[in-house]
Amino acid sequence: EDQVTQSPEALRLQEGESSSLNCSYTVSGLRGLFWYRQDPGKGPEFLFTLYSAGEEKEKERLKATLTKKESFLHITAPKPEDSATYLCALFSQGGSEKLVFGKGMKLTVNP
Amino acid sequence: DTAVSQTPKYLVTQMGNDKSIKCEQNLGHDTMYWYKQDSKKFLKIMFSYNNKELIINETVPNRFSPKSPDKAHLNLHINSLELGDSAVYFCASSPPTSDEQYFGPGTRLTVT
Repeated sequence: EDQVTQSPEALRLQEGESSSLNCSYTVSGLRGLFWYRQDPGKGPEFLFTLYSAGEEKEKERLKATLTKKESFLHITAPKPEDSATYLCALFSQGGSEKLVFGKGMKLTVNP
Repeated sequence: DTAVSQTPKYLVTQMGNDKSIKCEQNLGHDTMYWYKQDSKKFLKIMFSYNNKELIINETVPNRFSPKSPDKAHLNLHINSLELGDSAVYFCASSPPTSDEQYFGPGTRLTVT
């Protein structure tokens, strides 16, 4: 069964303190690995899609990377406005057409 | 604004009642979804429709019935509501050329 595990469940950083969020996955064939951001009381907001090991994508202070077993969301010099829950999800090849989500990681960036 | 919209934002009702949640997208997408996010924030798919045709029907009680009158709308009707149905329900849509999904703001359902 396709599975997504995110760690840590929660992370507190000081403003400017860079860190990485981990998403490990098991899937028979990966069609895509997705990162979303969710603010309290809102729907998930799409950030990145990664398709193959070695691929990297960047957006402002965020960079997502992918290996055959994990994806990392690197946050460089975070600001308080980066505080949110970050969700990792995968789409498998040849399986049912659905996103499988991890439980998310709540990031708090203190000023 | 181009977006996925849901109504209502909040829904408080008693056990045994029947309620509906509406979803509309003006993004021109072909595929729409319903997700349930429980109290632990775990997001799980319930249904998906492609051009009004049911594609995914997860192991959801048959008290839940999606209806897609056209490809821009996907409504969720819930019969005989139970306490365990309390959650946030999200609608989402995706374009035909991509797996990226775009989510609505959610409907917080509270069953008392």
